[in-house]
Amino acid sequence: DTAVSQTPKYLVTQMGNDKSIKCEQNLGHDTMYWYKQDSKKFLKIMFSYNNKELIINETVPNRFSPKSPDKAHLNLHINSLELGDSAVYFCASSLRGAGEQYFGPGTRLTVT
Amino acid sequence: TQLLEQSPQFLSIQEGENLTVYCNSSSVFSSLQWYRQEPGEGPVLLVTVVTGGEVKKLKRLTFQFGDARKDSSLHITAAQPGDTGLYLCAGAASGSARQLTFGSGTQLTVLP
Repeated sequence: DTAVSQTPKYLVTQMGNDKSIKCEQNLGHDTMYWYKQDSKKFLKIMFSYNNKELIINETVPNRFSPKSPDKAHLNLHINSLELGDSAVYFCASSLRGAGEQYFGPGTRLTVT
Repeated sequence: TQLLEQSPQFLSIQEGENLTVYCNSSSVFSSLQWYRQEPGEGPVLLVTVVTGGEVKKLKRLTFQFGDARKDSSLHITAAQPGDTGLYLCAGAASGSARQLTFGSGTQLTVLP
């Protein structure tokens, strides 16, 4: 009964490939997020999504796109992967306005 | 851009010692959260402080929100090896509870 789950846990791929990371939450939250954590452990928000309203961090390349098939899922698609995309990606969810966020276990992406 | 600076960046202490971690910004936040992250896992929320000057206690952990709501501190009394982890503060700007700005993190190691 994991609250926020992500798959896969590890993803190793070559430059130029397209990949997706899946995220599901069973908390009944209405807002979901994607974060990138770099090698220095700095956690940076990429997207937040609530009821079809998408807020994008302006520094995120347009190769990254979130897709939400329903309120419980927010998947992350990455096109034309680059070496600099290597990082740990976290999905999170919260109730609108509540602030407190619940994180998934992370997906370690390695681009070779 | 709102920035949150944490200090120290790294802290290694012996079991039983006390410590304080600081989270500082020049911006005002409507609320501030503290998370702990263990290796291979996502951050887990410890506490949320909302009111300037607020103090919250969680067993041996004491959290304080600055009077001006620009800074916060986390004090651990009699640290234990189980306290080891990456501590992250995160601020929510007024009117934007969904968008958290995370601090740079403090990696704490408590040696037995």
